[in-house]
Amino acid sequence: NAGVTQTPKFQVLKTGQSMTLQCAQDMNHNSMYWYRQDPGMGLRLIYYSASEGTTDKGEVPNGYNVSRLNKREFSLRLESAAPSQTSVYFCASSDIGEGFYGYTFGSGTRLTVV
Amino acid sequence: AQSVTQLDSHVSVSEGTPVLLRCNYSSSYSPSLFWYVQHPNKGLQLLLKYTSAATLVKGINGFEAEFKKSETSFHLTKPSAHMSDAAEYFCVVSPYSGGGADGLTFGKGTHLIIQP
Repeated sequence: NAGVTQTPKFQVLKTGQSMTLQCAQDMNHNSMYWYRQDPGMGLRLIYYSASEGTTDKGEVPNGYNVSRLNKREFSLRLESAAPSQTSVYFCASSDIGEGFYGYTFGSGTRLTVV
Repeated sequence: AQSVTQLDSHVSVSEGTPVLLRCNYSSSYSPSLFWYVQHPNKGLQLLLKYTSAATLVKGINGFEAEFKKSETSFHLTKPSAHMSDAAEYFCVVSPYSGGGADGLTFGKGTHLIIQP
């Protein structure tokens, strides 16, 4: 099925460890996004990529880096995980302009940092 | 800048009765507005969207929402609640009718509880 695929679905890290969350979309969308979801906070934008080759900070970028590897893939890296990064992470994609019909979200990665 | 306020963190209704989830927004531009639903341990699913066409928007599963510019509101309604409607609902704003590359702004969510 067409959509946004995230891996892994679950991950437990120790404080200080690093990891990369992977995201791929097969809808030929130009824009991709990483959000984190915390209880009572809604979703907050970490980083986004308006198009291949560009990335920009969102609301909560500290402690994260991203790579737009190609048009399909947008990865999120935690260089040194902290307990405050325990969250559910969602990747999303969209087109903008006349083709804008909202965002398509992946199913999420549940990350626990101990 | 834009913001979204969901006026109720929890709403509880009986099965078969109407649902009203309230959302107010602020935006410097002509916004796009959305409602997303999230069932437990699932991703987010688009319920409906407003993008400067008809102000009354119909979505999936019998939900609809009305864009009221004078009241800066975009409340979500359903005539008759079903047990499967129990979920978290997010009101979301994008600053432009054609979307924005800098992402969406989410409300904090309303937890809808359906009593049997």
